[in-house]
Amino acid sequence: KQEVTQIPAALSVPEGENLVLNCSFTDSAIYNLQWFRQDPGKGLTSLLLIQSSQREQTSGRLNASLDKSSGRSTLYIAASQPGDSATYLCAVEETSGSRLTFGEGTQLTVNP
Amino acid sequence: EAQVTQNPRYLITVTGKKLTVTCSQNMNHEYMSWYRQDPGLGLRQIYYSMNVEVTDKGDVPEGYKVSRKEKRNFPLILESPSPNQTSLYFCASRPDSARGAGELFFGEGSRLTVL
Repeated sequence: KQEVTQIPAALSVPEGENLVLNCSFTDSAIYNLQWFRQDPGKGLTSLLLIQSSQREQTSGRLNASLDKSSGRSTLYIAASQPGDSATYLCAVEETSGSRLTFGEGTQLTVNP
Repeated sequence: EAQVTQNPRYLITVTGKKLTVTCSQNMNHEYMSWYRQDPGLGLRQIYYSMNVEVTDKGDVPEGYKVSRKEKRNFPLILESPSPNQTSLYFCASRPDSARGAGELFFGEGSRLTVL
């Protein structure tokens, strides 16, 4: 059974820092990996989607990488801002069924 | 505005009283899905639908029913709610039902409490 782990569970950084969030998964038979942002009391917003054949995707200050063989993905946030404070979740879509398996998320706080 | 709309956003009910959480998307998406989010357990899929009249179980379907009579709507039905169904529920959709077909769009969530 696929398991997705995100480390750390919580992270607090000063504004302006570059930071890396980690996501690992146990079964490399995936179609894609997706990073989401969740604000308190809100739904999830998709940030980046990496297909299994890709190594990375970029959107603005965000860069996500995927190493399928080792079961790892990282989300890099450059020049962090207080508005980046949220919970970040990763999810993998397995080839064995049309479902996503989510990690529990990293709660990020960017202090002004 | 493209969106996934859930109702109600908040609901307190009692054990055994049937309820329906509605989900509607205005993006003509084929694929729709329901998740529940619980502390320590993360997001888990309840049911999903690849298209009209096509539904399938996710990881935690017990105690829930769904239907997909129209492309835009995917209601979640709790026939006889129990306290262990107290949770935050999310509906999501994506354009294509093919596996690996792209990013999911989520509704804002429905917080359900069963007493």
